[in-house]
Amino acid sequence: DAKTTQPTSMDCAEGRAANLPCNHSTISGNEYVYWYRQIHSQGPQYIIHGLKNNETNEMASLIITEDRKSSTLILPHATLRDTAVYYCIVRLSLWQGGSEKLVFGKGTKLTVNP
Amino acid sequence: DGGITQSPKYLFRKEGQNVTLSCEQNLNHDAMYWYRQDPGQGLRLIYYSQIVNDFQKGDIAEGYSVSREKKESFPLTVTSAQKNPTAFYLCASSMGDRASPNSYEQYFGPGTRLTVT
Repeated sequence: DAKTTQPTSMDCAEGRAANLPCNHSTISGNEYVYWYRQIHSQGPQYIIHGLKNNETNEMASLIITEDRKSSTLILPHATLRDTAVYYCIVRLSLWQGGSEKLVFGKGTKLTVNP
Repeated sequence: DGGITQSPKYLFRKEGQNVTLSCEQNLNHDAMYWYRQDPGQGLRLIYYSQIVNDFQKGDIAEGYSVSREKKESFPLTVTSAQKNPTAFYLCASSMGDRASPNSYEQYFGPGTRLTVT
């Protein structure tokens, strides 16, 4: 599975968009980009995933560059409850022979300020 | 409500005692996982199970044991052989369906914080 690089921490004002970057320059053609977040002392929560196209759901948007070497998770209107550690994970899906385990790095600590 | 539950939320044990952490899911998921998280660190995989009566070691299985007698349940035992058992333990489940590209999403429980003194 490809390695990812994320900033250690970021700040965002409440109500503004939070843009969390992730570099995955060694990503292979079949690897997906997944985002999870972990609010303090809770289990991680799945946010979104994508392969090539940009994706949007009720929680966030995922923008993947054309060369797929980086991506950005966008929380359009950040709230105080979005304060969490955000993990970017790159890997093959199970059906492509990927491993079952998720490799969580240290992620980005996002702090949303009032 | 479908979900994954872990109990208890906080657990305290004396050194040398075995302790079992509970994990139950009613999502009808085939695959279940146990992770360990230490302060300021990412998650590390202890054990996982793709199907009932089958499980595989993860990266840090030493000092731990699991069973998977029922699809809904995947208890983890932290034995006295585990050198540094104090940690936050997270259980997760997923569809585990290798035929679907979307089956990979893992749902996590709230975690159990184990303190051994």
